[in-house]
Amino acid sequence: GAVVSQHPSRVICKSGTSVKIECRSLDFQATTMFWYRQFPKKSLMLMATSNEGSKATYEQGVEKDKFLINHASLTLSTLTVTSAHPEDSSFYICSARSGTSAYNEQFFGPGTRLTVL
Amino acid sequence: TQLLEQSPQFLSIQEGENLTVYCNSSSVFSSLQWYRQEPGEGPVLLVTVVTGGEVKKLKRLTFQFGDARKDSSLHITAAQPGDTGLYLCAGTPRGSGGSNYKLTFGKGTLLTVNP
Repeated sequence: GAVVSQHPSRVICKSGTSVKIECRSLDFQATTMFWYRQFPKKSLMLMATSNEGSKATYEQGVEKDKFLINHASLTLSTLTVTSAHPEDSSFYICSARSGTSAYNEQFFGPGTRLTVL
Repeated sequence: TQLLEQSPQFLSIQEGENLTVYCNSSSVFSSLQWYRQEPGEGPVLLVTVVTGGEVKKLKRLTFQFGDARKDSSLHITAAQPGDTGLYLCAGTPRGSGGSNYKLTFGKGTLLTVNP
């Protein structure tokens, strides 16, 4: 149980275009989903927290107009990188928290490697 | 200020050696998780510890939660090349339940086990 999928796993796009990344909880309902960014050999950096049916909460320094998050259902959250630039190239990982978890474990997706040319 | 200090950051050892990774804080944590991440993949949950003094074993991995719930350790016995990866400790500081249950992560320990 507790499987989270992400799509696509890799994406290459041109500068100025927008890219959408999907995060799905496959076998549980995720009351809260999180989006992280990770640089090579570094720990995860939280970008935003999204709760189903409400606006995402962004961490300090993360541009909400650039990284659009939609948590439309209890099993799906999307991250759209708008007007992407080479500096947005990174590994993006989502995680999902089950409302039934007493210990706040998060289950992570496999990540999406974004390369902006 | 790093809420969870993880050490060492890098560790390169030979197959068969033992190792310990530490995760320390001045704050009390309600629970603490250890994750392992391989290159190009998402972190995988290894264990959750919740009780002060708790010890959990997962094959050759032993996890310990400090009595005061401010620190934790991961010990690997007879490491194998398949143990190579980024090990992350993460937790929720006590009293932060209202902050959307955000996890605080350590900086990670990049372990390389050479054959």
